[in-house]
Amino acid sequence: DQQVKQNSPSLSVQEGRISILNCDYTNSMFDYFLWYKKYPAEGPTFLISISSIKDKNEDGRFTVFLNKSAKHLSLHIVPSQPGDSAVYFCAAWVNSGAGSYQLTFGKGTKLSVIP
Amino acid sequence: SAVISQKPSRDICQRGTSLTIQCQVDSQVTMMFWYRQQPGQSLTLIATANQGSEATYESGFVIDKFPISRPNLTFSTLTVSNMSPEDSSIYLCSGSRGPGNTIYFGEGSWLTVV
Repeated sequence: DQQVKQNSPSLSVQEGRISILNCDYTNSMFDYFLWYKKYPAEGPTFLISISSIKDKNEDGRFTVFLNKSAKHLSLHIVPSQPGDSAVYFCAAWVNSGAGSYQLTFGKGTKLSVIP
Repeated sequence: SAVISQKPSRDICQRGTSLTIQCQVDSQVTMMFWYRQQPGQSLTLIATANQGSEATYESGFVIDKFPISRPNLTFSTLTVSNMSPEDSSIYLCSGSRGPGNTIYFGEGSWLTVV
């Protein structure tokens, strides 16, 4: 059962416009969410995070919004730049039982920013 | 942020052989994890590396195939044993300062099994 879902495998956006990447989750016990950016054959790079006690966190061109009632979060990139072209992963911390924690990832959304 | 370095960054391996990946993290990391990303797939947790004891494996991963060591707080190894082409993947070491904190990743080790 996939607990973190990114339903759009890909997204194309014109340079300068806003990119909106979406993520849904099923476990209401998640309390910390993260977005990562990944280029091919490289490790994921942390972008931005949000705690469940907040509904918005902003860092430069990146803003993450959290809607707990809808179990939905989104990453906004504005303005989008060609260098933003990458795969973006949504992730959430979950208590997997017996005091064990793990970070669960969505399947990723490939963003292409067109010059 | 945490500094996480792993090696090798890339290798081509013969079927049936084993390869050990090393990971070094900075001293602020308390939790270490090993992930795998197969081509076109998401990141999948292999195991949590526990200091001084056996790793905690996720469903579908076993110690005989992916033995993991963590002899101290800042170092861990993952061995991919008896490799087959299906093991071709990027293997990622990661670390965190604890539950609910950001996990940082190394650059990954890209293994191709021929």
